[in-house]
Amino acid sequence: DGGITQSPKYLFRKEGQNVTLSCEQNLNHDAMYWYRQDPGQGLRLIYYSQIVNDFQKGDIAEGYSVSREKKESFPLTVTSAQKNPTAFYLCASSGMTVLLYGYTFGSGTRLTVV
Amino acid sequence: AQSVAQPEDQVNVAEGNPLTVKCTYSVSGNPYLFWYVQYPNRGLQFLLKYITGDNLVKGSYGFEAEFNKSQTSFHLKKPSALVSDSALYFCAVRDFTSGTYKYIFGTGTRLKVLA
Repeated sequence: DGGITQSPKYLFRKEGQNVTLSCEQNLNHDAMYWYRQDPGQGLRLIYYSQIVNDFQKGDIAEGYSVSREKKESFPLTVTSAQKNPTAFYLCASSGMTVLLYGYTFGSGTRLTVV
Repeated sequence: AQSVAQPEDQVNVAEGNPLTVKCTYSVSGNPYLFWYVQYPNRGLQFLLKYITGDNLVKGSYGFEAEFNKSQTSFHLKKPSALVSDSALYFCAVRDFTSGTYKYIFGTGTRLKVLA
């Protein structure tokens, strides 16, 4: 089945540590996105990529980094510069059918600072 | 600026009663509007969309939405609510300023259907 997979489901980070969240899709979608979800704030865009080897900052990119070396993969690194990283992180992708079906979302990674 | 608003943080409705979850938008072009549903600790799932055509759009799980251009609204509705409809609902509108297929999401409305 085609889909988008995020791992791990739960992640714990110590203060000052960098962590990487994985996002892989087998939908042959060109575009991929990372969102952060906090209670009462909805979804906020961190980074997005429309094509391999290219990505753009979203609304809250500070303290985060990404790479897009392969079409299928768009990992997100939460760096120590992100002062309040505890949140639910969602990865999404979109392809030629984006106008028909919008985004396809992964199941999310819940990151907690300990 | 392009935006989407969901004015209610939570909507409570009794099972069997009709439900409405509100969404208003502001865009510079023709609006591409979506509704998504999110169950606890899961990603968002597509419910329905409006691109063009009939103002009443039907989607998954018996949901429908009414596009109202004059009121710039796209409210989600269901004639008879089920307890299993309890979830977080997001409205989204295409961001035309970016030149991409980015969407702007509302802050979400938690729907609670009471048995």
